[in-house]
Amino acid sequence: DTGVSQDPRHKITKRGQNVTFRCDPISEHNRLYWYRQTLGQGPEFLTYFQNEAQLEKSRLLSDRFSAERPKGSFSTLEIQRTEQGDSAMYLCASSLMGEVSTDTQYFGPGTRLTVL
Amino acid sequence: SQELEQSPQSLIVQEGKNLTINCTSSKTLYGLYWYKQKYGEGLIFLMMLQKGGEEKSHEKITAKLDEKKQQSSLHITASQPSHAGIYLCGAGSENAGGTSYGKLTFGQGTILTVHP
Repeated sequence: DTGVSQDPRHKITKRGQNVTFRCDPISEHNRLYWYRQTLGQGPEFLTYFQNEAQLEKSRLLSDRFSAERPKGSFSTLEIQRTEQGDSAMYLCASSLMGEVSTDTQYFGPGTRLTVL
Repeated sequence: SQELEQSPQSLIVQEGKNLTINCTSSKTLYGLYWYKQKYGEGLIFLMMLQKGGEEKSHEKITAKLDEKKQQSSLHITASQPSHAGIYLCGAGSENAGGTSYGKLTFGQGTILTVHP
């Protein structure tokens, strides 16, 4: 059983460019979460999916951010017109939400974004 | 909204010493998760507590949730260099039948350094 994987691990881009990150959850996990973490802080929630449905989006998620989870498997997070303030670690987590499960989230290694 | 405060913010100990990290919530906790993070990497799940007075242990790490479910502590016995990292507490946001689900709100983290 493989864990949560994220690609790429590092991304350097210029301000104004678009970037897309991918997350592959643990197989059979029906929930997928995205968080953002800046230096010295805990992760902040961005959005999450149950299967292919996006159930909640944070107010932190501006119109430049969009996330998808087609077919309820992998997910992508796109940031359009990147700004220097978008520089952060983007973390993905997955969990199994069910009658007997506890929705414990397992995290991937993260994608570190640097916007120049 | 729920806020989590961790103390201390950083901790430096000599190998073999015991230590405790605290996590205090502004609201009643329905689920409290402890994670460990190596710098620049993803979060590793340690333990989850739900019931007042609950205590769980894994190897040399013990986590407790107080009876009022507003404070949790993480205790490491006989620390080793492998325990070094950032420890994060996270609180679930939804409560279904006393069980925590959904997005996590994290504390700011406690940086632990263990000197050999």
